[in-house]
Amino acid sequence: EVQLLESGGGLVQPGGSLRLSCVASGFTFSNYAMSWVRQAPGKGLEWVSTIGVGTYYADSVKGRFTISRDNSKNTLYLQMSSLRAEDAAVYYCAAYSSRRSFDHWGQGTLVTVSS
Amino acid sequence: DIQMTQSPSSVSASVGDRVTITCRASQGISSWLAWYQQKPGKAPKLLIYAASSLQSGVPSRFSGSGSGTDFTLTISSLQPEDFATYYCQQAISFPITFGQGTRLEIK
Repeated sequence: EVQLLESGGGLVQPGGSLRLSCVASGFTFSNYAMSWVRQAPGKGLEWVSTIGVGTYYADSVKGRFTISRDNSKNTLYLQMSSLRAEDAAVYYCAAYSSRRSFDHWGQGTLVTVSS
Repeated sequence: DIQMTQSPSSVSASVGDRVTITCRASQGISSWLAWYQQKPGKAPKLLIYAASSLQSGVPSRFSGSGSGTDFTLTISSLQPEDFATYYCQQAISFPITFGQGTRLEIK
């Protein structure tokens, strides 16, 4: 069974930093590009970043967020810095397949940015 | 960036109804389109990829069609578990973009 388990969310002050992690199991992690997708409360889905052959970022997070992975640990990371109120959301880890779809999703981790 | 526009934003329907949701891309995306279902408090679930291919395990009452700029998701006979929010997503290029969502409600 495919599982993606995010962690690291929480309450952070504006300007602060947070690192999210996502541990994968049940599939060959190294064969997939991996992504972060977020959803602000009551809003739609917003793609944040993808790591595959290269790394890609939404303009809204470029220069502030860094995506990385450790294939030996089947783990995806998102280092977030200079956090803003508008970064508050549930952050989902997702496996991005060669069919260019998000085939598998984690349950999400909530990031709250507030003083 | 490619803008994805879904219509309608919300729709009310009854069990057994046929429902069609439309997604329009601001420029051609070939068949690089996926559809997702999301229920409250849950992660999205992939339904359709490559515009018309059914993801494994997804009921056959779901179907997708289209290419270029205009796409549709059709649910042939609504079941109680289908009431949810649906999103389209383009994947021809980065940044990946989603439609704003269509909320399917019980009439």
